[in-house]
Amino acid sequence: EVQLVESGGGLVQPGRSLKLSCAASGFTFSNYYMAWVRQAPKKGLEWVATISTSGSRTYYPDSVKGRFTISRDNAKSSLYLQMNSLKSEDTATYYCARQDLRGVMDAWGQGASVTVSS
Amino acid sequence: DIQMTQSPPSLSASLGDKVTITCQASQNINKYIAWYQQKPGKAPRLLIRYTSTLESGTPSRFSGSGSGRDYSFSISNVESEDIASYYCLQYVNLPYTFGAGTKLELK
Repeated sequence: EVQLVESGGGLVQPGRSLKLSCAASGFTFSNYYMAWVRQAPKKGLEWVATISTSGSRTYYPDSVKGRFTISRDNAKSSLYLQMNSLKSEDTATYYCARQDLRGVMDAWGQGASVTVSS
Repeated sequence: DIQMTQSPPSLSASLGDKVTITCQASQNINKYIAWYQQKPGKAPRLLIRYTSTLESGTPSRFSGSGSGRDYSFSISNVESEDIASYYCLQYVNLPYTFGAGTKLELK
């Protein structure tokens, strides 16, 4: 069974940093692109980052480019999201997701809540 | 960026009804659209990929169709377990973009 378990969420002040982790199991982690998708309270879904199988390629929307960094450790079957210079508008539930070769997010974690507030 | 215009924002249906949600892309997305179901407090669940390919475990009452810029998602014979929000996703180009969502409620 595919499992993705996020951790590391919490309350953080504006301008500070936070790092999310996602532990994967039930599939060969190193064979898949991985992504982070977020959902602000009572709002829709927003793609945040994608990383290639080896980690050599990363992709971001303009809203987080330069502030967020996605990374992975294939030996540990783990995905990470380093979030710097956090803003109130980054407040959301952050989901770790597996992507197929074409980009569809086909498995999701339960989410980690991040609140940016003073 | 490709914009996905999803409608309606909300939908009220009776058990057994057929409902349809549409997504219009701002440009041709070559059938690279997926549909997700999300229940309150839960993660999204992939139901359909590449316009009409049902995921394993997706009931046959769900279906998708479309081409070019215009796509639709339908539920025939709505059941109580279908009460949720639904989102479309285009994955032809980065950045991946979702529709704003449709909340399906019981009449």
